[in-house]
Order: sequence, then C-alpha cells, then structure tokens
Amino acid sequence: AIQMTQSPSSLSASVGDRVTITCRASQGIRNDLGWYQQKPGKAPKLLIYATSSLQSGVPSRFSGSGSGTDFTLTISSLQPEDFATYYCLQDYNFPWTFGQGTKVEIK
Amino acid sequence: EVQLVQSGAEVKKSGESLRISCKGSGYSFTSYWICWVRQMPGKGLEWMGRIDPSDSSTKYSPSFQGHVTMSVDKSTSTAYLQWSSLKASDTAMYYCARHEHDVGEGYWGQGTLVTVSS
Repeated sequence: AIQMTQSPSSLSASVGDRVTITCRASQGIRNDLGWYQQKPGKAPKLLIYATSSLQSGVPSRFSGSGSGTDFTLTISSLQPEDFATYYCLQDYNFPWTFGQGTKVEIK
Repeated sequence: EVQLVQSGAEVKKSGESLRISCKGSGYSFTSYWICWVRQMPGKGLEWMGRIDPSDSSTKYSPSFQGHVTMSVDKSTSTAYLQWSSLKASDTAMYYCARHEHDVGEGYWGQGTLVTVSS
C-alpha cells in the first residue's frame, strides 16, 4: 500500500498567518490527491481535489500544489474558522490511504 | 440536494453482529461509489474500502478485509457496513462518503458511532 507521510503533525499559528502542510507519497501518485478538513465532532470536508482544484464553495485562501510524490496544502491567510485537522488522501490506487493528519491550533 | 444519512449510534458486546447503514438521496445512487472510513477515538482517518452500487463490486483495505462486509440495496439507495463478530477494537466513528471520479469524496454522512464493550 502507498504510504502518505504528512507533516507537521501539528502546528500553532495566528490569524492571518500563511500555513503550509505537506504530504509525501511513498511512490508516485500522479495528481490523485485530495485534502480534507475535519473539525471536532464533524465529518471531513473536501477542500481540494486532484492536487490543486478547489472544491465548490471552499474559500480561495486554500490552495494545493505538487505532483508525483510531494504535495502541499497552503492556507494563505489563516482565519478563525480554519482551526481544524487536515488530512491528505491518495486515490491513485487501492487501498486508498490518508495521511496521519495535521492539527492546526491557535497560537 | 445530495445527502448521505447514516443510521444511529450502536452499543454492542464483543462477538455480536452489527450492520450500519448509509442512505443516499438527491442523486443517482448507482452512479457513484460509496467509501467507508473509520476514525477511532482521538485518532486519524482510515480508508476501509469502497463499493460500486451499480454492480456491488468491492475493494477493501487489507487492514479490514475479512473483518467487515460492504453491501448495497439499490432499491432503497442504501449502503451497508456489517460485522459478523465485533471486537472491542471496532469501537470507532464510521463515515460513509460518496466518491466522484477525479474529484474525491465530496459528500459525507454524519457518521455512526459504534461502541463495543468486552
């Protein structure tokens, strides 16, 4: 199975900060990667699909980039509602696999 | 409006069987795969597998193969996840999600909490 190594596992940031989260795949996955946001007690929410496509309704401060094995989620200006846990998911081949998650906390 | 509505919380004992459900509405149920995701208490997301409602074909993660069974009832647009013999380690929140090709899991159920006591 493809392993997705996500970093950092947690970070503290202030409102307005630029935040970057990375996922590295154990083998090439083309651009078959999505990013999800999960808030406590809630189901995950799709933010970015196919590495860099913004899901409908998601604010433009979220962006994704990368290809092959290295991928990045960037929040250009962190807002109070962005404090959550973020996960990457590869759907290049089965079994699909999530990264371990990155918890974004208030500094 | 696309919706996935999951069945309610369950409390079971080790060794018991269980089936939880995920009912889709607002779209063509057989046109999109349904995925199941586990989240153990305080832990991350784990992809369990997917089922294609059009032909009931399945793909399981090796971590879950043989321990759970995914199925669908096309007549009621409902997907199921079942266990024949629960373990305490099955205690978790379980989510279903609709997979759209080249997009991902854009719609999720609200989750079903399964608690298994030993």
